[in-house]
Amino acid sequence: DAEITQSPRHKITETGRQVTLACHQTWNHNNMFWYRQDLGHGLRLIHYSYGVQDTNKGEVSDGYSVSRSNTEDLPLTLESAASSQTSVYFCASSGRLAGGTGELFFGEGSRLTVL
Amino acid sequence: GNSVTQMEGPVTLSEEAFLTINCTYTATGYPSLFWYVQYPGEGLQLLLKATKADDKGSNKGFEATYRKETTSFHLEKGSVQVSDSAVYFCAQSGGSQGNLIFGKGTKLSVKP
Repeated sequence: DAEITQSPRHKITETGRQVTLACHQTWNHNNMFWYRQDLGHGLRLIHYSYGVQDTNKGEVSDGYSVSRSNTEDLPLTLESAASSQTSVYFCASSGRLAGGTGELFFGEGSRLTVL
Repeated sequence: GNSVTQMEGPVTLSEEAFLTINCTYTATGYPSLFWYVQYPGEGLQLLLKATKADDKGSNKGFEATYRKETTSFHLEKGSVQVSDSAVYFCAQSGGSQGNLIFGKGTKLSVKP
């Protein structure tokens, strides 16, 4: 079965370190998204990509970057981790854009703690 | 801008009680509307959706009707079970980046 997987599922790091969260999907979806989930804020969009070599900033992109070298992967990098980036991160993909009633498929999340 | 507002939780119910979780949206145009569910320790998964006014989405005993006149998409279930304990997110397709716009989520706890 096609799926979307994230790794690591749990990560503890120190302030200032670079961290990369991996996201891999086997649906061959063009569209991939990274969200963070925080109490009181719900899900907020960090970065997204519509295809290989395409990356775009979402509403909370400061301190994060992504790259899309193939269809399957969209790694999220925290250049210099800050305590404010302690959160649960979700990767999602879709074969059609949401405006076309496309459903998002989510990974199981990566819980990041920055000390 | 486009947004989704849903009732704040947590909501605690006894098994077999009736559930309503309110959701309203603001949007330019007519977005598709979704309810996602997140079980403990898992990612979000689609529960139901509706793509146009007066459509009713349904799944696993849950229902929601797209009401254009009240810009609402309330989630209902006639008799909840302990296994329905989860966080429920209302969402719309009005994101300018082709993404979904989510509400803040409502945590439901069902007691036996």
